Amino acid sequence: DAKTTQPPSMDCAEGRAANLPCNHSTISGNEYVYWYRQIHSQGPQYIIHGLKNNETNEMASLIITEDRKSSTLILPHATLRDTAVYYCIVRSIQGAQKLVFGQGTRLTINP
Amino acid sequence: GAGVSQSPRYKVAKRGQDVALRCDPISGHVSLFWYQQALGQGPEFLTYFQNEAQLDKSGLPSDRFFAERPEGSVSTLKIQRTQQEDSAVYLCASSLYRTGSGAQYFGPGTRLLVL
Repeated sequence: DAKTTQPPSMDCAEGRAANLPCNHSTISGNEYVYWYRQIHSQGPQYIIHGLKNNETNEMASLIITEDRKSSTLILPHATLRDTAVYYCIVRSIQGAQKLVFGQGTRLTINP
Repeated sequence: GAGVSQSPRYKVAKRGQDVALRCDPISGHVSLFWYQQALGQGPEFLTYFQNEAQLDKSGLPSDRFFAERPEGSVSTLKIQRTQQEDSAVYLCASSLYRTGSGAQYFGPGTRLLVL
């Protein structure tokens, strides 16, 4: 599976949009981009995933560039409860089903 | 509906003791995963089941680690002769399908401390 690169930390003001970037320049055609987050002392929580089209659900939006080499997770109106480590993961839908976590981005929402 | 549950939530073991960690996946989920998370690190894959079949155990760090899912539902991760380096959070996740793009849903984890 392709590797991902994320900034180690970010800050965002409560109520503003949080935009979390991820680079995955070696992504291949059958690999999806997944986002999970982990709030302190909890298990990772699935947020969203996509292949090449932009995706939106009740939690977030995922914007994938046309060349698929990078993506951005958008939390439209961040709250204090969104403070967590956010992981961007690239995984093929074929072959190994495991998730390979990197270091993620520690997002802090400030009041 | 009910999510993935794990028990115990916390376990303290003396070095050399055997421990057993339980995972109850979401009902009907075919795939089950175990991950290990050291302090300050992201989770690392241990092993994967599709129903009762253990299809990938490439992440198990040693032969002291053993996992089973005999009836394709509940799974147990057993660690024999625990060592201090086994101290970590052990996470279980389940997924509805065998393959494809489906999400994995994680339990709260079992925090193991080996003294």
